[in-house]
Amino acid sequence: DSGVTQTPKHLITATGQRVTLRCSPRSGDLSVYWYQQSLDQGLQFLIQYYNGEERAKGNILERFSAQQFPDLHSELNLSSLELGDSALYFCASSVGTGGSGSGNTIYFGEGSWLTVV
Amino acid sequence: AQKVTQAQTEISVVEKEDVTLDCVYETRDTTYYLFWYKQPPSGELVFLIRRNSFDEQNEISGRYSWNFQKSTSSFNFTITASQVVDSAVYFCALRSHGAGSYQLTFGKGTKLSVIP
Repeated sequence: DSGVTQTPKHLITATGQRVTLRCSPRSGDLSVYWYQQSLDQGLQFLIQYYNGEERAKGNILERFSAQQFPDLHSELNLSSLELGDSALYFCASSVGTGGSGSGNTIYFGEGSWLTVV
Repeated sequence: AQKVTQAQTEISVVEKEDVTLDCVYETRDTTYYLFWYKQPPSGELVFLIRRNSFDEQNEISGRYSWNFQKSTSSFNFTITASQVVDSAVYFCALRSHGAGSYQLTFGKGTKLSVIP
């Protein structure tokens, strides 16, 4: 158990809908990351938050957004869903930002399986 | 730009055989961090090891060992006396030091099947 909690574990929704994925980082971790894993793209970085502020953006679509709340949990919002958005979405956390060179290990949750039909 | 290459897409071994998973990385940074993660069939990503670029000492943890060679930009992972529970997809990942380089860059993964 990594200590990173993600809900829901499985989600099936229709095209055009909107869903919210939730993540609670490990106790004491200030950074939260979101990754998408699909068969064709592999593991792709979406976005990172550190202590409530956005720190880095990767290949995140404009239809997707995220935020980190004062209690450090994070939510990833996916809207106007398309079939191609079906994937495993991971949340991960680390103590620091990584940008300072601390090289903090990033621990991943169990993922949220999203199926768009 | 950062890149991680895991040339072996799939490997099958018979239980108790040793197996080495290859990882080659590219980065222009002099300080960076290398990781291995395991993804069993259940889907979660399990952290296995982190290695700093300034520490080339190889590491052994039980049946697992890692060989880090900066000269060849490789960070290979060996499982000794493989077991069925080792069946999973293994990912090598790179994280560079420096502003803007916060995220992990993953390889495509190597699917290991251990046959009883």
